[in-house]
Amino acid sequence: ETGVTQTPRHLVMGMTNKKSLKCEQHLGHNAMYWYKQSAKKPLELMFVYSLEERVENNSVPSRFSPECPNSSHLFLHLHTLQPEDSALYLCASSQEFGTPSYEQYFGPGTRLTVT
Amino acid sequence: GQNIDQPTEMTATEGAIVQINCTYQTSGFNGLFWYQQHAGEAPTFLSYNVLDGLEEKGRFSSFLSRSKGYSYLLLKELQMKDSASYLCAVRDSNYQLIWGAGTKLIIKP
Repeated sequence: ETGVTQTPRHLVMGMTNKKSLKCEQHLGHNAMYWYKQSAKKPLELMFVYSLEERVENNSVPSRFSPECPNSSHLFLHLHTLQPEDSALYLCASSQEFGTPSYEQYFGPGTRLTVT
Repeated sequence: GQNIDQPTEMTATEGAIVQINCTYQTSGFNGLFWYQQHAGEAPTFLSYNVLDGLEEKGRFSSFLSRSKGYSYLLLKELQMKDSASYLCAVRDSNYQLIWGAGTKLIIKP
């Protein structure tokens, strides 16, 4: 148990649907992250929140919209996705953002399939 | 550009030793991480190196040479449960983590 939970674990959605991914961390961390993991590719950082403020937005299409209502919860709102968005979406947290040695704790991910 | 290279796949025998290499070219360096990821599961932290040399943690050791832009993860006394992907990541000067694509390690009896 890593202390980071994600729901749903699997999601199939059409290109016109709207859905949301949820992440919750029970570790008292101040930073939270969304990553995209595609087969045989490096993890792609999508968004970073520190103390509920967005600090990174790595040129992610606007069809992905993050929300961080408090330091324990992170959402990724999805709308009008494309088939190439099918991937594993991982949430992570760390004690702080910007301290080099702090490792990230990952959730199990949401396997997203866009049809 | 920033780049992390590691082999795509490696095979080793139960009880043996395997070394997984990682080379990097990044904008600055603030430490290197190794993570383990079993299929369908979350990546979990294995090690962090910021100074040159070898860090040992039980059956796993991690080595860093900053001058060569090189690290390796050494796994001893391999067990079947070590079958997983091993991810190398470097923290750059902007404190971003730059990830490699991972090395899938297959352990055979």
